[in-house]
Amino acid sequence: NAGVTQTPKFQVLKTGQSMTLQCAQDMNHEYMSWYRQDPGMGLRLIHYSVGAGITDQGEVPNGYNVSRSTTEDFPLRLLSAAPSQTSVYFCASGEGTNYGYTFGSGTRLTVV
Amino acid sequence: GEDVEQSLFLSVREGDSSVINCTYTDSSSTYLYWYKQEPGAGLQLLTYIFSNMDMKQDQRLTVLLNKKDKHLSLRIADTQTGDSAIYFCAERYSGGYQKVTFGTGTKLQVIP
Repeated sequence: NAGVTQTPKFQVLKTGQSMTLQCAQDMNHEYMSWYRQDPGMGLRLIHYSVGAGITDQGEVPNGYNVSRSTTEDFPLRLLSAAPSQTSVYFCASGEGTNYGYTFGSGTRLTVV
Repeated sequence: GEDVEQSLFLSVREGDSSVINCTYTDSSSTYLYWYKQEPGAGLQLLTYIFSNMDMKQDQRLTVLLNKKDKHLSLRIADTQTGDSAIYFCAERYSGGYQKVTFGTGTKLQVIP
């Protein structure tokens, strides 16, 4: 049972570079989301998807893009990395929020 | 908008009970959750409570909900060193599809 798999676990980018954080789940969950975690600020929702082909913005979407071409995958793209995007990124999935989410182990991103 | 607040830090002695508190602002919350995050890991769902319940008990965990005061607490009986982690309170509100708001997290330190 893999659950939610995030890659890479660590990444260092230079300002202006782009990259994609990968997220895959094998539980056939319709709902997937990306959060960023910063000290003292909890988790903030970046983007979410309620099914393949459907995405929407969360609380802090600027500088990030997502797509959902399959139920399993929900990649997060940083278009032009900025130091303010230094954070730990978590992907989560759920079949119904009533029962909570399953989280990946996170990607620690540093932008220099 | 919705807001979830927690104290940042709690220290207890091994064997004592821990009580982690959370306040939220959205009176239309339907489900409330407690997640645990161990160092370097993602969040793990511990328990959840439906908003029409006052209490839920699951082994060493007791969740109390005071809907009038919008106050949620998590009590851990016989706290062990393995309980040292960050605990997040989260609420789902009815205003958006599967919208869940997380608190800032409470770091629990268990002293042997």
